[in-house]
Parts: sequence; structure tokens; C-alpha cells
Amino acid sequence: NAGVTQTPKFQVLKTGQSMTLQCAQDMNHEYMSWYRQDPGMGLRLIHYSVGAGITDQGEVPNGYNVSRSTTEDFPLRLLSAAPSQTSVYFCASSYSGGVSRDTQYFGPGTRLTVL
Amino acid sequence: GDSVTQMEGPVTLSEEAFLTINCTYTATGYPSLFWYVQYPGEGLQLLLKATKADDKGSNKGFEATYRKETTSFHLEKGSVQVSDSAVYFCALSSGAGSYQLTFGKGTKLSVIP
Repeated sequence: NAGVTQTPKFQVLKTGQSMTLQCAQDMNHEYMSWYRQDPGMGLRLIHYSVGAGITDQGEVPNGYNVSRSTTEDFPLRLLSAAPSQTSVYFCASSYSGGVSRDTQYFGPGTRLTVL
Repeated sequence: GDSVTQMEGPVTLSEEAFLTINCTYTATGYPSLFWYVQYPGEGLQLLLKATKADDKGSNKGFEATYRKETTSFHLEKGSVQVSDSAVYFCALSSGAGSYQLTFGKGTKLSVIP
């Protein structure tokens, strides 16, 4: 299993540009989520999904869109990038049932810089 | 709402020293508690977890005990190695059907030979 994969690893954008951060998992996990990591802030939840076709907002959703058309993929879209979105982005997934539901597996991250 | 408070870093220790990283939490209900570790340039990995009061999670020589009376989940290791240098995050999942993790701000540990 590849686990949780993210692309790209690094990205530089100009203010106002759009892009999509890709996330995929091959563990058949129903739950997937996006976090951003900022210095001194820990990780904050952006959006999450409990299954294909179902998404919801986390703590810091503004400026980001998500969709979940398949179990495997959960892309994060920045429609008009702003410098405040400079961060490291992590995708995570977990099983949806039993005691393992809240053990999340993280991807390697995407480091995004918005100029 | 839920919150996690962990000791501020950075923490610098000599090899074979004893490590404690404090973590306290505020949550409704009966949360599950976690320690995640992030090695340089990598994503987060689950280090250990505990799902109910008095449970002890352990892995790779690290331990943490779920203390409901003090709302704490302190991370300990008896003898750290250079390879333990990383950022450590305490986190909780509030349970009751929630998948969401609430993280502390992280504690950077550096172990010197």
C-alpha cells in the first residue's frame, strides 16, 4: 500500500491564482480530511469528508473548496490564492468504524507559498 | 469547544536523558487521546493512543497515561536518542461519532549526542 499520497510536494503561486492540491489513499478509508500547519499554530482542520459525495467544513474553511467523487481521492481547491494561505497542507484518512475510526494516517504534505 | 495545551518548546536534551512533554486537554464527553510525531520534512505519524481513562499507550519506548482526573496525557520516555529529534503533537478526538482531531501547537525536541 502507498498509504496517503499528496501532490505536488512544493508549489509557489501568485496572489489570485488558482490551483488544486491532490490527495489520494489506497486503504479504502471512508474518512478523509485536510489540515493546514502554520508555525506555532499546530494543525487546523480545513474540510473533511465522511464518504464519497459528503463533505463538511472544519475550523478554517474560508478560501478553500473540496469535493469527494470517489473513495480514493479528496482534492483541495484554492480558487483565488492569498498570501495568508501560505502554509503546509496535510491530507489524512481513517477507517470509519470501530475503535480505529479516529486513528488518522497522514500524507507527506504540500508546502505552498503564495507571493 | 475542545482544546489541547502542550508545553512550549523547543526542548533540548542530551542523549539518554529522561523526557517529559506535558499535555492537558479540555473536551466534552470521553475523548480519545493521541500523540503524533513529525520527523523533519515528513508528515505526521501516530506514536501512541489511549481511548479511555487510565489507559496507557506505549510505542518505541514512549508512554502516556490517560488521566481523566487531571485531564492530562503527558508523554514520557526514559532514555531519548538522537533519532527521537522531531516535533511532537498531542491531540484529541472528542468521540461521540466525531472523526475530527484537535491538535496542540506541537513541541520540538532536539536530542544532542
